[in-house]
Amino acid sequence: SQQGEEDPQALSIQEGENATMNCSYKTSINNLQWYRQNSGRGLVHLILIRSNEREKHSGRLRVTLDTSKKSSSLLITASRAADTASYFCATNDMRFGAGTRLTVKP
Amino acid sequence: EAGVAQSPRYKIIEKRQSVAFWCNPISGHATLYWYQQILGQGPKLLIQFQNNGVVDDSQLPKDRFSAERLKGVDSTLKIQPAKLEDSAVYLCASSLTALGEQFFGPGTRLTVL
Repeated sequence: SQQGEEDPQALSIQEGENATMNCSYKTSINNLQWYRQNSGRGLVHLILIRSNEREKHSGRLRVTLDTSKKSSSLLITASRAADTASYFCATNDMRFGAGTRLTVKP
Repeated sequence: EAGVAQSPRYKIIEKRQSVAFWCNPISGHATLYWYQQILGQGPKLLIQFQNNGVVDDSQLPKDRFSAERLKGVDSTLKIQPAKLEDSAVYLCASSLTALGEQFFGPGTRLTVL
């Protein structure tokens, strides 16, 4: 079974704009992680948020977690062309969703 | 710090043949994962090891897939016999602890003809 499900499936924005991606999951979690995958490359860990945290920042990334709604969001501020990638969320039992494909146009 | 190493990077085989993939995790990482990623989809967890014990293999097609992690370090994933639908990238990842950040290897791209 897959727990993390990202929304939207695809997102296209202009450089400098903000990008928001959402993740929903089905059962209780200890933590939730976000990963990025550039075309043809491996996955890179972005951020981990624990179940007792509501918000976490890392550089231009902001992650929120709402355990009552079983959802999380990833905000990328001031996007760059290099942010073009697929973004995945994963629950602590490492079930990934299909990802959000983000395209940032220069 | 060296990353997760995988080999081979690419493999092309015919259906019904056997294939094996190798993974060397980051030194000191107790947890090792194998994933299958089909084009356009997210990674699917095949098996999770904690040291040399299996934690989760619920999504591993055990009739054809097998994996081992001898001595709690390197790991091999084998497919025997391969089917066309096994064409995918096989990713290995490791983490210091079971709930921690995972570090992924570059993957092995398998094509089954």
